[in-house]
Amino acid sequence: AQKVTQAQTEISVVEKEDVTLDCVYETRDTTYYLFWYKQPPSGELVFLIRRNSFDEQNEISGRYSWNFQKSTSSFNFTITASQVVDSAVYFCALSEAYTNAGKSTFGDGTTLTVKP
Amino acid sequence: EAQVTQNPRYLITVTGKKLTVTCSQNMNHEYMSWYRQDPGLGLRQIYYSMNVEVTDKGDVPEGYKVSRKEKRNFPLILESPSPNQTSLYFCASSFGLLNNEQFFGPGTRLTVL
Repeated sequence: AQKVTQAQTEISVVEKEDVTLDCVYETRDTTYYLFWYKQPPSGELVFLIRRNSFDEQNEISGRYSWNFQKSTSSFNFTITASQVVDSAVYFCALSEAYTNAGKSTFGDGTTLTVKP
Repeated sequence: EAQVTQNPRYLITVTGKKLTVTCSQNMNHEYMSWYRQDPGLGLRQIYYSMNVEVTDKGDVPEGYKVSRKEKRNFPLILESPSPNQTSLYFCASSFGLLNNEQFFGPGTRLTVL
């Protein structure tokens, strides 16, 4: 069965610090998709990034970067020089292409608080 | 504007009184899904639909029903709500079959007394 673990329930940092949110997944499929979503205090869910299992390239988007490592089944998210506006709940999610096609599994989320 | 809409946004009801939460998307997406969000439990999938007339159970389907008679609509039905269904509910849609990102509605906060 597919599973996503976000071991860090809550993280608190001071503005301008770098922070890494961990995501570890389990799947038996060879083709799968990983996602990160952000839920700010206003409550909406916002898509951040998608990765398929065949693309292990790391990605950088401004202050955000993602490290996908199939060898450790991890898809970690780093925010560089954090800002107060980064305070949110962040979810990692997994979708399988075959075994559980259609099912989407989310981690429990990591609540990030960035203090000024 | 491309969006997923849900109604109502807030609902307080009593045990056993049937209710429907509507979900509609205007992006012509094949895939739609319902989730519930509870503190510390992340988002858990209730039901999903890969296309019209095709629905399947997620991880927590007990006590819920869905239907997909039109591509744009995916209502969530609670035939006999119970207090343990008090939660924040999100509807989502996606182009294709989950190889693309999901677009989420604004959420419906349901309280069952």
